[in-house]
Amino acid sequence: DSGVTQTPKHLITATGQRVTLRCSPRSGDLSVYWYQQSLDQGLQFLIHYYNGEERAKGNILERFSAQQFPDLHSELNLSSLELGDSALYFCASSGGWATGELFFGEGSRLTVL
Amino acid sequence: AQSVTQLDSQVPVFEEAPVELRCNYSSSVSVYLFWYVQYPNQGLQLLLKYLSGSTLVKGINGFEAEFNKSQTSFHLRKPSVHISDTAEYFCAVRTNAGNMLTFGGGTRLMVKP
Repeated sequence: DSGVTQTPKHLITATGQRVTLRCSPRSGDLSVYWYQQSLDQGLQFLIHYYNGEERAKGNILERFSAQQFPDLHSELNLSSLELGDSALYFCASSGGWATGELFFGEGSRLTVL
Repeated sequence: AQSVTQLDSQVPVFEEAPVELRCNYSSSVSVYLFWYVQYPNQGLQLLLKYLSGSTLVKGINGFEAEFNKSQTSFHLRKPSVHISDTAEYFCAVRTNAGNMLTFGGGTRLMVKP
């Protein structure tokens, strides 16, 4: 158990809809990262938050947005969903620079029909 | 920007045989290197990491990796694999100025009885 909790584990929705994925980082971790894993794109970095502030953006679509709340949990919002958005979305957290490693949740599997 | 190449998408091997999963990276600055494992329907779990010091790094489950700066490689090895090692393995790089991990495309290790 990594200590990172993601909900929901599975989500099935239709094209054009909007969903919210939630992540609770490990206790004490200030950094939250979102990654998308798909068969054709592999593991792609989406966005990084540190203590409520956005720190880095990767290949995140404009239809996607995220935020980190004062209690450090994070949400990834996906809107105007397309078939190609079907993927496994991972949240990871880390405590700081020294160790460098990220601790991953078990992911939220999104299926868009 | 950094990048990671995992040269083999799939590696079939018989149980108790040795295995090497190859990883090469590209970066113009110093890097931290990681190997993660993903078992079916699970998140990513850290196997081992190289931050500094000895270039031979030992990880969990009998895995080890060697950092070779001149060849920009970080190959993962295990002298004798088990059926339970069947999983997807990801090499990742992080620079000392960066704040996210860049992953390779993954290598599926298939251990056969």
